Parts: sequence; C-alpha cells; structure tokens
Amino acid sequence: DTEVTQTPKHLVMGMTNKKSLKCEQHMGHRAMYWYKQKAKKPPELMFVYSYEKLSINESVPSRFSPECPNSSLLNLHLHALQPEDSALYLCASSQALAGAPLYEQYFGPGTRLTVT
Amino acid sequence: DAKTTQPNSMESNEEEPVHLPCNHSTISGTDYIHWYRQLPSQGPEYVIHGLTSNVNNRMASLAIAEDRKSSTLILHRATLRDAAVYYCILRGSNYGQNFVFGPGTRLSVLP
Repeated sequence: DTEVTQTPKHLVMGMTNKKSLKCEQHMGHRAMYWYKQKAKKPPELMFVYSYEKLSINESVPSRFSPECPNSSLLNLHLHALQPEDSALYLCASSQALAGAPLYEQYFGPGTRLTVT
Repeated sequence: DAKTTQPNSMESNEEEPVHLPCNHSTISGTDYIHWYRQLPSQGPEYVIHGLTSNVNNRMASLAIAEDRKSSTLILHRATLRDAAVYYCILRGSNYGQNFVFGPGTRLSVLP
C-alpha cells in the first residue's frame, strides 16, 4: 500500500472556527510533511515530523498547529484562520528524514480549504 | 542554496518523446536531482531521481549532464495523461532546502 490518505477532501470554515485536517499512511514511513499550495503556485513546505517529533517548522503562524500522535498519523489543527489561508493543504511521507535525498516522497491528494 | 530553473511551459504531441530540461548550475557534489509531477487536482507524484548516472524507470528516464549542471527528464511517448506540472528539485544535506519546489514546467500534450 503506497497511499497517503487525507481527510476531509474539502473544508469550508469561518474565521472563528476550529477544525483539523487528518493525514494517514501505512507504509512504515518515519517522516511526514505538511505543505500549503496556493492556486497556480508550487507547494510550500510548512512542517516536517521525523519519528513523531517536529523537526522543521518553516515559520508558520501559530494559527496552524501540527500534531503527530503516532507514526501513521499526522494532523493539522486550524484555529482563527484568515481568508488568505485558503489553499490546498498537502500531506506527504517518506521513509526517513535522515537520508532524505535518497527517498521519494509520497503525497496525498490534499484538502482544499476555504476560509470565509 | 542550490536552485533550479525550468521553462515555464512546454507542448508536445501525443505519442512523441518529450525532453524537459532543468538547469542547476550551483548544484553541490552531494545533491540528488529529483523530479516530481503534479497532475490536475492531485498531489505531486514522484517520477525519478539520480545523482550522477542516467536513470531509467517505468515512468521516465533521467539524463544528467557530465558536469551535473543540468539534467533532462525524458518521457519516451507522451500520453494525454502526462499533461502536468513537472518539478525539478535538488535534495542534499540541507534538509530545509530539500523540500523547496521551484515553479516547474507546465507540460501540455496535444492529441
């Protein structure tokens, strides 16, 4: 199984809501990633988890809060978002962060988020 | 930091080969060259990667220049399904920079 699943596929939320995005993989990968992608732009890295610990935070605002409860799951908790946060949020996994140049990343289909 | 440059867009006819170029003149000796593609409404998909030697897999071939300052992704027979944005990415020991996507090349395949 080389699949990364993401739920929900679409999410509409108000600026005062709290919601969560979920990502799951069962490939035994120990590195997991969140990316943000605006329309017609390349994905931008937000967070990297390695062995369930946050390894890279690309200066993302605190209204985005990642969580890695176990090696298969990655969540992104959202609170008090702004309309400009509307984007496609992509999750990815790879075998490990160390040795990253050697490993391919597997991406999920993304969650399309609209903030109203 | 090593960066890549690619043409914004390219066109190809169906069933013809496609050569997608990537320049990376500041590549370091330990940087791997990775290619991903993103089909419409999907997440990026790994295509191929290499270090120095040319590489082949079921999806494509990767030709790496001898000085490693450029590379070419080769799709041997383009299909309509190959219409996508193709990203050339360098991955090395700087983990933060490993996951920086450039603007990519938008490939259109004409029937």
